[in-house]
Formats: sequence, C-alpha cells, structure tokens
Amino acid sequence: AQKVTQTQTSISVMEKTTVTMDCVYETQDSSYFLFWYKQTASGEIVFLIRQDSYKKENATVGHYSLNFQKPKSSIGLIITATQIEDSAVYFCAMREHYNVLYFGSGTKLTVEP
Amino acid sequence: NAGVIQTPRHKVTGKGQEATLWCEPISGHSAVFWYRQTIVQGLEFLTYFRNQAPIDDSGMPKERFSAQMPNQSHSTLKIQSTQPQDSAVYLCASSLDRLGGRVSYEQYFGPGTRLTVL
Repeated sequence: AQKVTQTQTSISVMEKTTVTMDCVYETQDSSYFLFWYKQTASGEIVFLIRQDSYKKENATVGHYSLNFQKPKSSIGLIITATQIEDSAVYFCAMREHYNVLYFGSGTKLTVEP
Repeated sequence: NAGVIQTPRHKVTGKGQEATLWCEPISGHSAVFWYRQTIVQGLEFLTYFRNQAPIDDSGMPKERFSAQMPNQSHSTLKIQSTQPQDSAVYLCASSLDRLGGRVSYEQYFGPGTRLTVL
C-alpha cells in the first residue's frame, strides 16, 4: 500500500495566484515527519518545508506554507504569490521511525504568465 | 558549501556490464541514502548508511545491486550485469542524523546519475 499519496497529477495556475497541492499519508507511528520537495526541470530535488507531527502550528517558509490536518492524515502545500520559476514537480514525503523517506508520486505545477 | 556530489552524471552501459555510481555527501552529514527514480515507479528508496554502517537495504534488489560506504566522504552503488530495467536516475542524498527521538533532519539530494542500459 502506498504510504504517501498525491492525487493531483498536474495543476496549472496563473502567476501571482495561490495554489494548494494535496497529500495524504498512512502511518501507524505516533511520531513522524512530513516534507515537501521540489524537482526542477533540470532534475534537481530541493527541500522546501517540513512539518513535525507533534507540532500543532502549520509550518511556513517564505511563500510556502503547510496545511497540516492530522486527523485526516493530510499535509497540503500552499504556495502564495506564485512565480514562473515555481513551475516544477512537487513531492510530498514522510519519514517514520527510520530516516527513510517515502515519496508520493508528485504533482506537476505549471505557472502561466 | 558544496552540496551532494554524484559522478558520473550520465552513464551508458551495455546489457550485462557493470556500473559503479559514486556519491560524496555533504561534509558533516552522517547519513547517506540512495534512491532510484523512474517514470513508472517514481522515487524509490534503495539503501541507507549511518556513520558508514549499513542500516537498511530493504529497497535494494537482492541480486546484482550492492552499496558500500568505505569512508565518510563517499559511497558507491554497484550494479552487476546491468539490465535494461535498471535504467533510471540514481539519486544520493545525505543528512545529519540522530537516533530516534523527536528529531529529524532534511535530506539533501545530489543531481543524480542517469543510467542507461542498452
């Protein structure tokens, strides 16, 4: 069974708007960690933001923020004021008690001018 | 501050040949991970080292694949008798590490090695 599921295959938005990407996960652990990564057209995978399961506050870094809904096992990524250079594939990932990351299948974001 | 370095960036092998992929983690990072990315399977975990010791190789195909970390500055992934289905981008990542607890560290990825098996 997939531990991390991203149902949105691709999203297209206009520049300067806000976009939300969905991610749900499965775990039996009481403590776990959630991450979002971005893969650029060149293939580079870049860490964006993280959420620790025991923290109630949603994480925010720059124009990235998270919508963490623990009862729903959901961790959405919100990008505000999108820019052309935000166009990329976005991966949600989860770490349980080991350091291994389980990745979702990715959501391709296209930001149009 | 150099990131994770992977060499070569591209490798083409003939079916049945051996391929060795190299990774140099970020200095000071004690955990090293190998992943494989394909269109069909996405990003898959292969194996993980902590302080050069193998911790989890549950993602490694049992035959033909092996990984080592002879010192803290490099790790290798070796594929013997390569097959066309081994064609993929192989990614190395490193992170700080700490056993258990409410601590986790982000993994930082290298640029990957694109392996093509003809």
